[in-house]
Amino acid sequence: NAGVTQTPKFRILKIGQSMTLQCTQDMNHNYMYWYRQDPGMGLKLIYYSVGAGITDKGEVPNGYNVSRSTTEDFPLRLELAAPSQTSVYFCASTPRDSSYEQYFGPGTRLTVT
Amino acid sequence: QKEVEQNSGPLSVPEGAIASLNCTYSDRGSQSFFWYRQYSGKSPELIMFIYSNGDKEDGRFTAQLNKASQYVSLLIRDSQPSDSATYLCAVTGGGADGLTFGKGTHLIIQP
Repeated sequence: NAGVTQTPKFRILKIGQSMTLQCTQDMNHNYMYWYRQDPGMGLKLIYYSVGAGITDKGEVPNGYNVSRSTTEDFPLRLELAAPSQTSVYFCASTPRDSSYEQYFGPGTRLTVT
Repeated sequence: QKEVEQNSGPLSVPEGAIASLNCTYSDRGSQSFFWYRQYSGKSPELIMFIYSNGDKEDGRFTAQLNKASQYVSLLIRDSQPSDSATYLCAVTGGGADGLTFGKGTHLIIQP
């Protein structure tokens, strides 16, 4: 199993541009999460999904959108990128719910200038 | 708002000594507690999890939970230079909510 994979690894965006961060897991996990981590800070939850077709907002959802059309994929969409969205983005999955270990992808480092 | 507090450090510990990392949380409904290790530029990896009051040991690591005091700790015995990393405390009430993370404690093991 590849686990949780994320693409791209790095990206530089100009203010106002849009992009999609890809996340795929091959462990057949129902629960998937998007977090962001700013320098020197812990991770903050952006969006999560409990299964295909079901998504919900986390602590910091503004400026982002998600979709979950399959169990495997959970892309994160940034519309109208802003400098405040400069961060490292981690996707995670877990087999049942957040009481269980979350498996993290390698992260996407995004810079908005 | 749920909060998890950690001393950001750096915490400097001699090689072979015991490293003690602490965490407090605000939500009394929290059910599950995790310690993740994060090397610079890498993703978090799970070290320990604990659900019940008391101690839980796994090799050189011991997690301690006191729900009455809303306090979680991680002890690392026989600290090694490879233990130098940022340690993130995370809590959850369970269900689909996701984890609430502290800012992390930067641990440095001095050879």
